Amino acid sequence: AQKVTQTQTSISVVEKTTVTMDCVYETRDSSYFLFWYKQTASGEIVFLIRQDSYKKENATVGHYSLNFQKPKSSIGLIITATQIEDSAVYFCAIVGDNSKLIWGLGTSLVVNP
Amino acid sequence: DPKIIQKPKYLVAVTGSEKILICEQYLGHNAMYWYRQSAKKPLEFMFSYSYQKLMDNQTASSRFQPQSSKKNHLDLQITALKPDDSATYFCASSRDWGSAETLYFGSGTRLTVL
Repeated sequence: AQKVTQTQTSISVVEKTTVTMDCVYETRDSSYFLFWYKQTASGEIVFLIRQDSYKKENATVGHYSLNFQKPKSSIGLIITATQIEDSAVYFCAIVGDNSKLIWGLGTSLVVNP
Repeated sequence: DPKIIQKPKYLVAVTGSEKILICEQYLGHNAMYWYRQSAKKPLEFMFSYSYQKLMDNQTASSRFQPQSSKKNHLDLQITALKPDDSATYFCASSRDWGSAETLYFGSGTRLTVL
């Protein structure tokens, strides 16, 4: 069965700095897809960025980028130049052959002025 | 404007009653899903539909019944409600059904069962 582990429960940073959130996954699928979502204070779940397992290049979207280390089954999320509005809970998720998203427990990010 | 509309946003029910959670998506997507978020637990997959056809069901209880009257609608009927059903229920959609698809979520319905 697939599994996603986010070991950081919460992170606090000062705005305009860079933050990295860790995510380790388990899967037996040879092809799989990794996603990062954030959940805002209002409860809305927003898609941020994805990494397809067959792609070696790390995905980048705006000020979000991924650190994909396939041999370590790791997909870290990097947010550069953090803003107050980035404060949210960040979820890592994986989907393999079964087409179901398996989620981690999330990392709460607080960006302080 | 929200592209995936869930109604109501908040719902309070008594044990044993029945409720329907509404979901409509205006993204032109062919696949729709229900996920549940309970306290201290990861988001949990419940159902997936493609072109109004049930593709996968991970919900053991038959008390949870999805209903799709149109391709862009996927409601969730819950019968004989229990306090353990208290959670936020999220509807999601994707362009097509499949592992490579990115899911987009509605804002959720927070259900409290007393």
